[in-house]
Amino acid sequence: DAGVTQSPTHLIKTRGQHVTLRCSPISGHKSVSWYQQVLGQGPQFIFQYYEKEERGRGNFPDRFSARQFPNYSSELNVNALLLGDSALYLCASSPLKRAEIIAKNIQYFGAGTRLSVL
Amino acid sequence: QKEVEQNSGPLSVPEGAIASLNCTYSDRGSQSFFWYRQYSGKSPELIMFIYSNGDKEDGRFTAQLNKASQYVSLLIRDSQPSDSATYLCAVNPSGSARQLTFGSGTQLTVLP
Repeated sequence: DAGVTQSPTHLIKTRGQHVTLRCSPISGHKSVSWYQQVLGQGPQFIFQYYEKEERGRGNFPDRFSARQFPNYSSELNVNALLLGDSALYLCASSPLKRAEIIAKNIQYFGAGTRLSVL
Repeated sequence: QKEVEQNSGPLSVPEGAIASLNCTYSDRGSQSFFWYRQYSGKSPELIMFIYSNGDKEDGRFTAQLNKASQYVSLLIRDSQPSDSATYLCAVNPSGSARQLTFGSGTQLTVLP
């Protein structure tokens, strides 16, 4: 079975530009989360989507937005890029079920998109 | 802020030894705990998860959770050079929208 797939793998942009990153979850997974990982740090939560609805948002500016499509794939958009947005952007999918009371929240990561802002 | 703390290392152990990785968390209501392994330039790979106090073993890996002390650890027995990587501790904090909060990771080197 295919794992979480992300595209593109690498991206170079200049300050002020816009970028769109794409993610396809593991088949059967309805939840997708986005994380930003700066070199030397752990991933930092940006968004979570479940069944096409935003379920959570981390401490990121409004320049960051996302959406989830009917096939559960997702896009992360970043506007007005800053040098500090240079990072590895990770997508994770989870087999969460709506009825789950304890948030076991097992998340499986894709290979990531490495964004460089010049 | 709900934090997860790890020793950044680097931690070096000889091949065949036990590597011990530690993590503390600040949110007492956290319910689920994860260890990810990340090779340089790669994405995090889930290796263990634990929800209940005590030990959980999977092959050479043992996760230990002590909620009273807000402490979770990972033991790697019979360490191999291929275990050399950064190990990330992640916590699902209480009241979250199912996000994970990560520590900064511990870099482990297993010396042949």
